[in-house]
Amino acid sequence: EPEVTQTPSHQVTQMGQEVILRCVPISNHLYFYWYRQILGQKVEFLVSFYNNEISEKSEIFDDQFSVERPDGSNFTLKIRSTKLEDSAMYFCASSSNGRINSPLHFGNGTRLTVT
Amino acid sequence: AQSVTQLDSQVPVFEEAPVELRCNYSSSVSVYLFWYVQYPNQGLQLLLKYLSGSTLVESINGFEAEFNKSQTSFHLRKPSVHISDTAEYFCAVSDEGNTGKLIFGQGTTLQVKP
Repeated sequence: EPEVTQTPSHQVTQMGQEVILRCVPISNHLYFYWYRQILGQKVEFLVSFYNNEISEKSEIFDDQFSVERPDGSNFTLKIRSTKLEDSAMYFCASSSNGRINSPLHFGNGTRLTVT
Repeated sequence: AQSVTQLDSQVPVFEEAPVELRCNYSSSVSVYLFWYVQYPNQGLQLLLKYLSGSTLVESINGFEAEFNKSQTSFHLRKPSVHISDTAEYFCAVSDEGNTGKLIFGQGTTLQVKP
């Protein structure tokens, strides 16, 4: 069964550094998402992406965050200058048509640790 | 705004015992409800969903959930759990814009003991 893959599984970075989290969505999916889960807290929506542009973003997704689909297969989340509070598990997800009858398929997540 | 509450952060249970994981939601519009499961070191996997029709929905591995509109609940149940059911379970409600965006609860860790 096709799956969403995320790399790396664990990323450690120093505060103030840039980090890029990578995701390869399912190949025929058109809608892409990033969620995050701070330890002990809820899984939170960050951003959705369709047709090479952001379709929706949460208030968490400020100017320090950006997303890109650079080559038609990868979907990346960049954090320009990481803060301690960015430490979390980041999940990528994709769906075929972005509608509620098309469930989200999630990757295994990238655990980001900012020191 | 929609929200989801999972009252139990951890539920320990012995193997072959029944279990119920509670989920309550708040929404002012029609809702679509989901349960996702996360096994250790894996991603979130869809367990079951309620979109419309029968209020009782079932998964292939013996879990079921019932949509109760009057109590705004979508509790997950299994009559007899296995060690392999040990995982974190997330309840989620769809965003009212029907965009595929989900709003999650905090998750419940089910610990099945032998």
